[in-house]
Amino acid sequence: RKEVEQDPGPFNVPEGATVAFNCTYSNSASQSFFWYRQDCRKEPKLLMSVYSSGNEDGRFTAQLNRASQYISLLIRDSKLSDSATYLCVVRSGTSGTYKYIFGTGTRLKVLA
Amino acid sequence: NAGVTQTPKFQVLKTGQSMTLQCAQDMNHNSMYWYRQDPGMGLRLIYYSASEGTTDKGEVPNGYNVSRLNKREFSLRLESAAPSQTSVYFCASSEGGGQQFFGPGTRLTVL
Repeated sequence: RKEVEQDPGPFNVPEGATVAFNCTYSNSASQSFFWYRQDCRKEPKLLMSVYSSGNEDGRFTAQLNRASQYISLLIRDSKLSDSATYLCVVRSGTSGTYKYIFGTGTRLKVLA
Repeated sequence: NAGVTQTPKFQVLKTGQSMTLQCAQDMNHNSMYWYRQDPGMGLRLIYYSASEGTTDKGEVPNGYNVSRLNKREFSLRLESAAPSQTSVYFCASSEGGGQQFFGPGTRLTVL
């Protein structure tokens, strides 16, 4: 079993739709969680960190469920510019030994 | 701030050739990382450096060496390139377990 698993997609959704991605992780000692966005042939960039109580940034909402070991990303009112691959990242370890594990990514296509 | 920079952006090598990928960050981060990204595999850690003067193996270190030249710079060397090392290489930096910042990547093809 992979340490971090994501549905690869693609998710094809019309503009204005709401879409949700899930990501499961196997290490119960994981401490920090992130969603990154990666455009084609570009580097990953942080979309948002995921906090225990859940957090929102504009049209984006992230949730963490430690009991079930998954995180989610909800995108409301999808835009064409949201088309990208979304990477789930889980961090464990302590200072000097931090370990970041990446999911393989979920591809989103927003259609006009 | 330039953030994380990498050189070169593209490189084509023949099997057996060597090369060094350069990475520098201007954010005063202690930790730096080298990843490779292959289709369907996600990002896999090659080596990392938790602080200046230390380096450790990641998930896929075979065929690579690294040097943490100073706090800013972390280089990745391929001593004898193989076709299996054809990939996109990303350098990243972070501080205190926070978010990682990535460079623009190097696209390497080994013939």
